Amino acid sequence: QVQLVQSGGGVVQPGRSLRLSCAASGFTLSNYGMHWVRQAPGRGLEWVAVISYDGSNKYYADSVKGRFTISRDNSKNTLYLQMDNLRPEDTAVYYCAKVSRIAVAGAFDYWGQGTLVTVSS
Amino acid sequence: DIQMTQSPSSLSASVGERVTITCQASQDIRNDLNWYQQKPGKAPKLLIYDASNLETGVPSRFSGSGSGTDFSFTVSSLQPEDFATYYCQQYDSLPLTFGGGTKVEIK
Repeated sequence: QVQLVQSGGGVVQPGRSLRLSCAASGFTLSNYGMHWVRQAPGRGLEWVAVISYDGSNKYYADSVKGRFTISRDNSKNTLYLQMDNLRPEDTAVYYCAKVSRIAVAGAFDYWGQGTLVTVSS
Repeated sequence: DIQMTQSPSSLSASVGERVTITCQASQDIRNDLNWYQQKPGKAPKLLIYDASNLETGVPSRFSGSGSGTDFSFTVSSLQPEDFATYYCQQYDSLPLTFGGGTKVEIK
């Protein structure tokens, strides 16, 4: 069955870096666009970034552009989010999500379990 | 960016009631709209895709309609397990955007 298992969250000081991972199984990762979505405590969902099936196209929310980098290693069936120069407002639960069709955007039919990132001094 | 205005932000309803949530896009998004359910501490779950298509395995009491800028989501007969927060999401253009959410609580 399809699974997205996340790792890499934690507490980090402002200005520091953190890398999130999302290990995929049960489907061919290289066929699908993948996204990161976050949710600040008590708030709604916010889209963060997308990467195309082959990694050739990447797009970011303005709030993270220039600080976050989405990447993937299809040989390892893993999606990444490198987060640099973190700010307190980046504190959130981060989810990876799979697009339901072979496209960059669409419905998110599978989600990771979420990982909490806390940015605090 | 496309703004998604979802209403109401919260509602109280009884088991068995019919509940409708609306979502309005700031520009034409055709039928590029999805609906998700989220329970506390859990990842969102896809219920409706492409405005009106029921995701596999989702009960038929959930439905969606609309196109262009105005969309609605209905639970025909609310069940105890349906008390949750619901979000619309457009994927017509990047950045993808979500509505603010509707929290459905027990009356």
